[in-house]
Amino acid sequence: KAGVTQTPRYLIKTRGQQVTLSCSPISGHRSVSWYQQTPGQGLQFLFEYFSETQRNKGNFPGRFSGRQFSNSRSEMNVSTLELGDSALYLCASSLVAEGNTIYFGEGSWLTVV
Amino acid sequence: AQSVTQLGSHVSVSEGALVLLRCNYSSSVPPYLFWYVQYPNQGLQLLLKYTSAATLVKGINGFEAEFKKSETSFHLTKPSAHMSDAAEYFCAVSDRGGGATNKLIFGTGTLLAVQP
Repeated sequence: KAGVTQTPRYLIKTRGQQVTLSCSPISGHRSVSWYQQTPGQGLQFLFEYFSETQRNKGNFPGRFSGRQFSNSRSEMNVSTLELGDSALYLCASSLVAEGNTIYFGEGSWLTVV
Repeated sequence: AQSVTQLGSHVSVSEGALVLLRCNYSSSVPPYLFWYVQYPNQGLQLLLKYTSAATLVKGINGFEAEFKKSETSFHLTKPSAHMSDAAEYFCAVSDRGGGATNKLIFGTGTLLAVQP
């Protein structure tokens, strides 16, 4: 069974640009969530999608957005990139019910220069 | 609101020694608790989880954790450390305050070093 797949794995963007990251969940998983990991702030929840609807949102500015498609694949977008957006972005998927195991992908490393 | 505190950002043990990584949680409802491990340049791998079944939870790679409600703790242990255990370990609690969700709240992590 394939795990959570994130693309691209590494990317470098210039301040002011925008970026789109993609996540394919484990087959059958309908809940997809995104996290940002930085040395200073640690692991922070961005948002969660379930059945194409945002179910929960973390405390991030509106420049961070996401969506989920009918096949449960998800994308997140960051517009007007800032240097502080440099981070590892992790996608996770799980089954519907609360308390189910949450599986993480390898992450997308974003560097903003 | 749920929260997690990991005591000790760095822990160093000798190979073969006991590993003890501490995690305390705060939750107004029965918590779901998780331990994840992160190797350099990789994502998070689930070690084990507690969802109110047995209080002693066994995970992968010889790790286990005991849920102690009276101490609000969920410490991670391994009887004998191996060099391959060197990694960063994160304790997490599921945020159950906002309805159905799979949102995790993470601790700040503990970097485990294993000395030969």
